[in-house]
Amino acid sequence: NAGVTQTPKFQVLKTGQSMTLQCAQDMNHNSMYWYRQDPGMGLRLIYYSASEGTTDKGEVPNGYNVSRLNKREFSLRLESAAPSQTSVYFCASKQTQGPFTDTQYFGPGTRLTVL
Amino acid sequence: DQQVKQNSPSLSVQEGRISILNCDYTNSMFDYFLWYKKYPAEGPTFLISISSIKDKNEDGRFTVFLNKSAKHLSLHIVPSQPGDSAVYFCAASNSWGKFQFGAGTQVVVTP
Repeated sequence: NAGVTQTPKFQVLKTGQSMTLQCAQDMNHNSMYWYRQDPGMGLRLIYYSASEGTTDKGEVPNGYNVSRLNKREFSLRLESAAPSQTSVYFCASKQTQGPFTDTQYFGPGTRLTVL
Repeated sequence: DQQVKQNSPSLSVQEGRISILNCDYTNSMFDYFLWYKKYPAEGPTFLISISSIKDKNEDGRFTVFLNKSAKHLSLHIVPSQPGDSAVYFCAASNSWGKFQFGAGTQVVVTP
């Protein structure tokens, strides 16, 4: 049971380049999330997918797109990277989206630097 | 607009003593609160949670207290151990299940 996996672990991009961050979970969870972590800001929700086939914006969606490819996989795409997108990105999954539900399980993170 | 605030970015405590981490929130619609622990180069891991119908939840060395009238929660770690050195995030959720996280508190447990 690998839990939540993310690729790549590290990435350096030049301004304007595009890339896709991959996330997969093997816990049969319905809900998946993308966060970014910046110093002094905690984790901020970029996009989430309450269930397969649905996606919704979080707190900081600008500059990103997502795809819920199937129940296991949820990818995050930067179409034209900007230095402000330098951050550590975490993917998470949870059994369901709703009240008093169980906790989120996080992947190990992707450290992205945009020059 | 940060609705969950951890005002202490760092905390240093001696091994064996109590660590107290604080968290304040502004949104009265939050009804579920969690603490996560994060080691360097790893993702956050769940530590303990509390729902708004309780004012205390205990799990081994970890206890979370919730004061709804003050919109304040705290995490007590007793006794503190070197392995507790990590960043601790407070998180709050409304009934729809979307979490808001605080900025984190770096705890260092010294021998």
